[in-house]
Amino acid sequence: ELKVEQNPLFLSMQEGKNYTIYCNYSTTSDRLYWYRQDPGKSLESLFVLLSNGAVKQEGRLMASLDTKARLSTLHITAAVHDLSATYFCAVFQGAQKLVFGQGTRLTINP
Amino acid sequence: EAGVAQSPRYKIIEKRQSVAFWCNPISGHATLYWYQQILGQGPKLLIQFQNNGVVDDSQLPKDRFSAERLKGVDSTLKIQPAKLEDSAVYLCASSTPRGQGPLGNTIYFGEGSWLTVV
Repeated sequence: ELKVEQNPLFLSMQEGKNYTIYCNYSTTSDRLYWYRQDPGKSLESLFVLLSNGAVKQEGRLMASLDTKARLSTLHITAAVHDLSATYFCAVFQGAQKLVFGQGTRLTINP
Repeated sequence: EAGVAQSPRYKIIEKRQSVAFWCNPISGHATLYWYQQILGQGPKLLIQFQNNGVVDDSQLPKDRFSAERLKGVDSTLKIQPAKLEDSAVYLCASSTPRGQGPLGNTIYFGEGSWLTVV
């Protein structure tokens, strides 16, 4: 059974700082997703990572995937308040079952 | 392009009552998912359809939950009878089959149906 673990689960940081969220998963997979969820809202797709060494960037967010280590990172550069949200990683088990991590609740203070 | 549509958005029911949620996926998406998200947790897959066939329902509490996808388009998720622990957001999502173009790997989620059981 695939397990997906994120850390930290809660993160409070100051604007302008850099930080990284980690996502570890327990079995081999070839697809990893990062989603953002605002309070009371649904999930917004941020990145789809399909291969070892994949790196994708959008604005202040950059995601990477190391399939050998079964690890993905979501790096936040020079954080701004608008990035406050809960971030989920999700990994495919088998053909098409998507398993989510617990989520990282990120709060960015002015 | 229209997104994944869900209704109702909010529902409050008493325990032991029944409730049904409806989902209309993005046009052309063969795969449809129902997820349950309890407050403070990540979404958990309840059931996955490929067209109108069930691919995975291993985590669906079949004694009280049922889902169908007639004609391979819309889907309905029903809970009967509801328990207090069913209070959650029920998320519907859809995707094109894996590998079909650059968007074939993206799963799109609806706004969710928020259920409170009292």
